[in-house]
Amino acid sequence: TQLLEQSPQFLSIQEGENLTVYCNSSSVFSSLQWYRQEPGEGPVLLVTVVTGGEVKKLKRLTFQFGDARKDSSLHITAAQPGDTGLYLCAGAEGTGFQKLVFGTGTRLLVSP
Amino acid sequence: DTGVSQNPRHKITKRGQNVTFRCDPISEHNRLYWYRQTLGQGPEFLTYFQNEAQLEKSRLLSDRFSAERPKGSFSTLEIQRTEQGDSAMYLCASSLGGQGVQPQHFGDGTRLSIL
Repeated sequence: TQLLEQSPQFLSIQEGENLTVYCNSSSVFSSLQWYRQEPGEGPVLLVTVVTGGEVKKLKRLTFQFGDARKDSSLHITAAQPGDTGLYLCAGAEGTGFQKLVFGTGTRLLVSP
Repeated sequence: DTGVSQNPRHKITKRGQNVTFRCDPISEHNRLYWYRQTLGQGPEFLTYFQNEAQLEKSRLLSDRFSAERPKGSFSTLEIQRTEQGDSAMYLCASSLGGQGVQPQHFGDGTRLSIL
């Protein structure tokens, strides 16, 4: 069974600080997706990375896929209270049908 | 454009009862997935449909669980003789078909509580 480990599990920071969330595995994935989930709601897709070494930017969020496609990171610049939530990485193997293997999540709290 | 819709949002039932959840995917999506999420964990894959065909089932899906997608549109997930351990959020996701990466879009889930 493929496992995705996320770190840290919890992060509590002040508004304006920067942070990085890591997602690591010993397995190779064909793609990796990042989601954000709020309490009582389903995960909302933030980004999909496909190519080893790929970097994608979404406003203040920067996503990187490791060269070997086994790990990924999410960096948030100047965090805001609206960034609060559970961040989940999910790896997919193969193309076509893609069962997602989710990490355990990083719970982020950004205080004003 | 409506997203993935799940009903009911919450279900409270007594142990031993049967429950059924419904998922309506995004209309042009022919792939549909069910996941289960327990408190403090990421979602775990349960099963997958391509149109009406159920193509993969996780070992998590015991024989008390059955999923259908009879016309290749909406899907139902039924749990028979519910147990305490079935308490979880049941999430449905859908995606386009074809080769290449097809991102999955999730509904807001059905939260099941077993008394």
